[in-house]
Amino acid sequence: NAGVTQTPKFRILKIGQSMTLQCAQDMNHNYMYWYRQDPGMGLKLIYYSVGAGITDKGEVPNGYNVSRSTTEDFPLRLELAAPSQTSVYFCASRPTGQGDNEQFFGPGTRLTVL
Amino acid sequence: AQKVTQAQTEISVVEKEDVTLDCVYETRDTTYYLFWYKQPPSGELVFLIRRNSFDEQNEISGRYSWNFQKSTSSFNFTITASQVVDSAVYFCALLNYGGATNKLIFGTGTLLAVQP
Repeated sequence: NAGVTQTPKFRILKIGQSMTLQCAQDMNHNYMYWYRQDPGMGLKLIYYSVGAGITDKGEVPNGYNVSRSTTEDFPLRLELAAPSQTSVYFCASRPTGQGDNEQFFGPGTRLTVL
Repeated sequence: AQKVTQAQTEISVVEKEDVTLDCVYETRDTTYYLFWYKQPPSGELVFLIRRNSFDEQNEISGRYSWNFQKSTSSFNFTITASQVVDSAVYFCALLNYGGATNKLIFGTGTLLAVQP
C-alpha cells in the first residue's frame, strides 16, 4: 500500500491564482481530512469527509473548497490564493470505527503564495 | 472547550540526557483519546502512541515512555538517553470520542534539539 499520497510536494502561487492540492489513499478509509500547519503551530482542520459524497467544514475553511467523489480521493481547491494561505498542507485518513483509530498522514504539500 | 497545551516551545539537550515533553489537555468529554506525533526535519508526521481515557497505565516502548495522569490532565512524554535522531517537533493531540469528525486537536508542538 502507498498509504496517503499528496501532490505536489511544493508549489509557489501568485496572489489570485487557483490550484488544487491532490490527496489519495489506497487503504479504503472512509474518513479523510485536510489540515494546514503554519510555522511554529500545530495543525488546524480545514475540511473533512466521512465518506464519498459527504464533506464538512473544519476550523479554518474560508478560502478553500473540497469534493469527495470517490473513497480514494479528497482534493482541496484554492480558488483565489492569498498570502495568508502560505502553509504546509497535510491530508490524512483513518478507518471508520472507534475514535482510537490513528489518522494516517500524507507527506504534506508546502505552498507559498507571493 | 477542547484544548491541548504544550508549554515548552523549544528544548535543547545533549545526547544521552533524558528529556520530558509536557502535554496538558482540556476536555469535557469522559471518553477521549490522546496521541503523540513526531515531525522530523523532513516534515512528515509520524504516529508514536495513542492512549484512551480509561487506560491510565504508563507505557514504555524502548527509550520512549508516556505518563498519563487524568488527575492533572497531563500526558507527558519522556525520551531516555536521547539521541541526535530524536531531534524533531513533537505534537500532542486530543481526539474527542463520538461525532462525525473525530477531529484531532493539536498542541503547538515542542521542538526538541539533541546536540551531539
